Amino acid sequence: EADIYQTPRYLVIGTGKKITLECSQTMGHDKMYWYQQDPGMELHLIHYSYGVNSTEKGDLSSESTVSRIRTEHFPLTLESARPSHTSQYLCASAAPGTDTQYFGPGTRLTVL
Amino acid sequence: KNQVEQSPQSLIILEGKNCTLQCNYTVSPFSNLRWYKQDTGRGPVSLTIMTFSENTKSNGRYTATLDADTKQSSLHITASQLSDSASYICVVSDRGSTLGRLYFGRGTQLTVWP
Repeated sequence: EADIYQTPRYLVIGTGKKITLECSQTMGHDKMYWYQQDPGMELHLIHYSYGVNSTEKGDLSSESTVSRIRTEHFPLTLESARPSHTSQYLCASAAPGTDTQYFGPGTRLTVL
Repeated sequence: KNQVEQSPQSLIILEGKNCTLQCNYTVSPFSNLRWYKQDTGRGPVSLTIMTFSENTKSNGRYTATLDADTKQSSLHITASQLSDSASYICVVSDRGSTLGRLYFGRGTQLTVWP
């Protein structure tokens, strides 16, 4: 079992609210990722980070932003949530020199 | 275009039976192929990883095969258990990417009935 944590596990909020999804890992991994996954669909990369102060957008256009101030922490923020943001958000991390990604349990977000 | 296609989309089997899931990919260059198991409401967990030179890899009741020439992989589950009910995702990594870019299939939803 990987030591990567996500909070909250479930979140139901109203349109227009600002939210932050938390992701932390205790493995000292340099690379971290955020994926969006809809039911029955593949994971889509929305953000990634090589290390502290490094963040990049992924393949899927997303209105979210991320920050990487500490190695172990990679939060994702939505400034104004909309129903189209309803999805499962998965965080992952990988050690230096490897592309083996370890996934957190995910956050199921519902925007009403 | 780099793609990973899985079949079947869903599968129902009885407990104790065997099954085989398929994965075809067009990712190039190729570094490795993984099979992940994703329980409902959880993140994916790696089952097996195979590089170009490997054609079989086992993990308990799970056996993965890889044919790098035809760009096909399969995951065989032996003597299925109720706990095998999950989505099985094929993931391919491209070579030479410092990011370690992964391409995900949509998964096969396996349901094991008692």
